[in-house]
Amino acid sequence: NAGVMQNPRHLVRRRGQEARLRCSPMKGHSHVYWYRQLPEEGLKFMVYLQKENIIDESGMPKERFSAEFPKEGPSILRIQQVVRGDSAAYFCASSPETTGTQETQYFGPGTRLLVL
Amino acid sequence: KQEVTQIPAALSVPEGENLVLNCSFTDSAIYNLQWFRQDPGKGLTSLLLIQSSQREQTSGRLNASLDKSSGRSTLYIAASQPGDSATYLCAVGGNTPLVFGKGTRLSVIA
Repeated sequence: NAGVMQNPRHLVRRRGQEARLRCSPMKGHSHVYWYRQLPEEGLKFMVYLQKENIIDESGMPKERFSAEFPKEGPSILRIQQVVRGDSAAYFCASSPETTGTQETQYFGPGTRLLVL
Repeated sequence: KQEVTQIPAALSVPEGENLVLNCSFTDSAIYNLQWFRQDPGKGLTSLLLIQSSQREQTSGRLNASLDKSSGRSTLYIAASQPGDSATYLCAVGGNTPLVFGKGTRLSVIA
């Protein structure tokens, strides 16, 4: 059973470009979480999705950031018009279900975004 | 709003020593607490998960305890090895997705 997969592992963008980060959850997992880790900081929750639904986006900036988890295919975190402050490691995690009790979340290797 | 604090921020010990990493959280209404390991430039590896009804979990040389009433958890590492060098993250699960501390950066010197 492959783990959580993220691609690309490293992404370099110039200011103003768009960044697309992909996450394929573990097989059988229907819940996806995105976290951001700024340099020397802990991981911060961004958004929680189930298939075709955004459940909680309270940690995601209101502008330029969007996320989706379509019925088919990976979850996508999209950052439009990137700025240098977006440079960070973006981690995806998946879990089999959440019924009011948090299941263990399994983390991917992360995508390291560098904005020049 | 849940806040998680880890002390110390960094720790350097000689090989073979036993050590304790500390984690505290402000809201005791949690479902579970997880300890992760993060190697430089890598992802997170889950080490131990303690459900709110449990007091501790053990895996090999690692033992994690949880005291919900005082808002504290400790990660005990026995007979440390250079391969244990990494950043250790504590994360609390509740009604919202995981809230992480900033981590303790551990260096085990051979």
